[in-house]
Amino acid sequence: NAGVTQTPKFQVLKTGQSMTLQCAQDMNHNSMYWYRQDPGMGLRLIYYSASEGTTDKGEVPNGYNVSRLNKREFSLRLESAAPSQTSVYFCASTVVQLNTEAFFGQGTRLTVV
Amino acid sequence: GENVEQHPSTLSVQEGDSAVIKCTYSDSASNYFPWYKQELGKGPQLIIDIRSNVGEKKDQRIAVTLNKTAKHFSLHITETQPEDSAVYFCAASAGRYGGSQGNLIFGKGTKLSVKP
Repeated sequence: NAGVTQTPKFQVLKTGQSMTLQCAQDMNHNSMYWYRQDPGMGLRLIYYSASEGTTDKGEVPNGYNVSRLNKREFSLRLESAAPSQTSVYFCASTVVQLNTEAFFGQGTRLTVV
Repeated sequence: GENVEQHPSTLSVQEGDSAVIKCTYSDSASNYFPWYKQELGKGPQLIIDIRSNVGEKKDQRIAVTLNKTAKHFSLHITETQPEDSAVYFCAASAGRYGGSQGNLIFGKGTKLSVKP
């Protein structure tokens, strides 16, 4: 079982460049999430999609956009990358939004120079 | 909104000793409290969770306790082994459908090192 798959695993961007992080899950989960992980800051929610067709802002949404392409796929876009967006990004999914186990991808390590 | 504080940020123990990580939460409506383990270079993985109608839950060497009155919950690992070395995250959610209340709020993590 693949679970949650993120691409790419590593990326280096120049300030001002754009890119899209891809996430797909094969568990038929309804809810999907994007987190960023920074040293000493834990996991902070960027955007989430409680169900197909809906997306909402999380704790730190500035500088990002998302698309819930279908039930399986949830992408995160950086329109104009900034050094402050250097981080490790994790996609996760849950069966439903409420009180269930979150399954995480392996992460994307993004460096903006 | 919910706020989760986790302590300590680092913890070093000898193999065979016990390890305890503590978390406090602010939203009295929170009713789901999972713990995740993150190994180097990997995504977090659920190791145990507890719901607000239960005070304690055990799974082999791992246990979680919940004190709703004090709004804190703890992870206990007994007979620690080198493979327990990882970063551990606590989380809480208010369990209300709709809006952001159903989302997990994570603590900042505890780096556990188990020395052979």
